[in-house]
Amino acid sequence: KQEVTQIPAALSVPEGENLVLNCSFTDSAIYNLQWFRQDPGKGLTSLLLIQSSQREQTSGRLNASLDKSSGRSTLYIAASQPGDSATYLCASDGSSNTGKLIFGQGTTLQVKP
Amino acid sequence: GAGVSQSPRYKVAKRGQDVALRCDPISGHVSLFWYQQALGQGPEFLTYFQNEAQLDKSGLPSDRFFAERPEGSVSTLKIQRTQQEDSAVYLCASSLVLGSTEAFFGQGTRLTVV
Repeated sequence: KQEVTQIPAALSVPEGENLVLNCSFTDSAIYNLQWFRQDPGKGLTSLLLIQSSQREQTSGRLNASLDKSSGRSTLYIAASQPGDSATYLCASDGSSNTGKLIFGQGTTLQVKP
Repeated sequence: GAGVSQSPRYKVAKRGQDVALRCDPISGHVSLFWYQQALGQGPEFLTYFQNEAQLDKSGLPSDRFFAERPEGSVSTLKIQRTQQEDSAVYLCASSLVLGSTEAFFGQGTRLTVV
């Protein structure tokens, strides 16, 4: 059974810092891994999706990497801004290829001005 | 519509009351998923549909929970005889095809059972 873990649970950084959020998963037979952002009281916004054949994806200041063999993904945020403050969730589809997602518990990020 | 729409956004129910939560997926999206998110936790899978067929309901916590998507578009999650432990945010997501493709989420319905 796929399990997804995110470390740390919470992170506070000053504005401008580069930072890394970590995600690990137990079953390496995944089809893709997706990173989401969730603002308080809101739904999930998709940030990046990495297919199993890819090693990384980039969008603006965000870069997500995937290492299937070690069961790890990282989300790198460059030059953090107060507007980046949110909870970041990673999710894996396991090996079922149905689109059903297994989520980590999230990392709550606070970027201080 | 442009995105996944859920209604109501907030629902307060008295214990024992039945509730119905609605999800309008992105037009043309084949797959539709329901998740439950407790406070401070990541979302947990409840059930999913391919068009009108419910292919997996293994995440539904009890037989008080029922979901349908009769015409392969709008879906309704019904909870009968609500209990306090049902209090959570219920999220709906849709994706264009069956399989592991990008999922788009709605804003969720926050259910509070008092």
